[in-house]
Amino acid sequence: AQSVTQLGSHVSVSEGALVLLRCNYSSSVPPYLFWYVQYPNQGLQLLLKYTSAATLVKGINGFEAEFKKSETSFHLTKPSAHMSDAAEYFCAVSVYNFNKFYFGSGTKLNVKP
Amino acid sequence: EAGVTQFPSHSVIEKGQTVTLRCDPISGHDNLYWYRRVMGKEIKFLLHFVKESKQDESGMPNNRFLAERTGGTYSTLKVQPAELEDSGVYFCASSQDLLDEQYFGPGTRLTVT
Repeated sequence: AQSVTQLGSHVSVSEGALVLLRCNYSSSVPPYLFWYVQYPNQGLQLLLKYTSAATLVKGINGFEAEFKKSETSFHLTKPSAHMSDAAEYFCAVSVYNFNKFYFGSGTKLNVKP
Repeated sequence: EAGVTQFPSHSVIEKGQTVTLRCDPISGHDNLYWYRRVMGKEIKFLLHFVKESKQDESGMPNNRFLAERTGGTYSTLKVQPAELEDSGVYFCASSQDLLDEQYFGPGTRLTVT
């Protein structure tokens, strides 16, 4: 079975500081991993995805994530937070044929001026 | 190009009543998915349509939930009769092919009182 754990339901950083959102997954087969972002009153938007190619994945808005098989992790980072990054972030895992995602419980990112 | 749309955005009903949620996927997307998020927990898969056929309905909670996609275009999700534990945000997503990114709608927030 597949599952995702996001450590920290709320993360607060100062503008310009490093953003680190943690995601650990469990999968009995090679996973595909995703990060989605949800801004208020909007749908989930794909930030980036790992599909067994390069382990360091670059996404939109300056975000990137590194797949570490030994740690079963796929943490999301951004070197310098911007006020517009305030949103809720979801990590998800999928296997086989992408027909369903298993999501984490989400992390709300607050960016302080 | 219009994104995935969902109607209504909010619905408040009493226990025992019926509610129907609607999802309009992106035009041309054969794959349509329903997910649900209950009270800040993880987003959970409900079911997957390929055109008008149910490909996977393993996530449907019970037989009070009925999903349809007549003609392979928009989809409806009916809850009858609604129970308190059905409250949550119902997301719809669509994709063109099975291995493509899923595009999410803004969700319908259902409150059962």
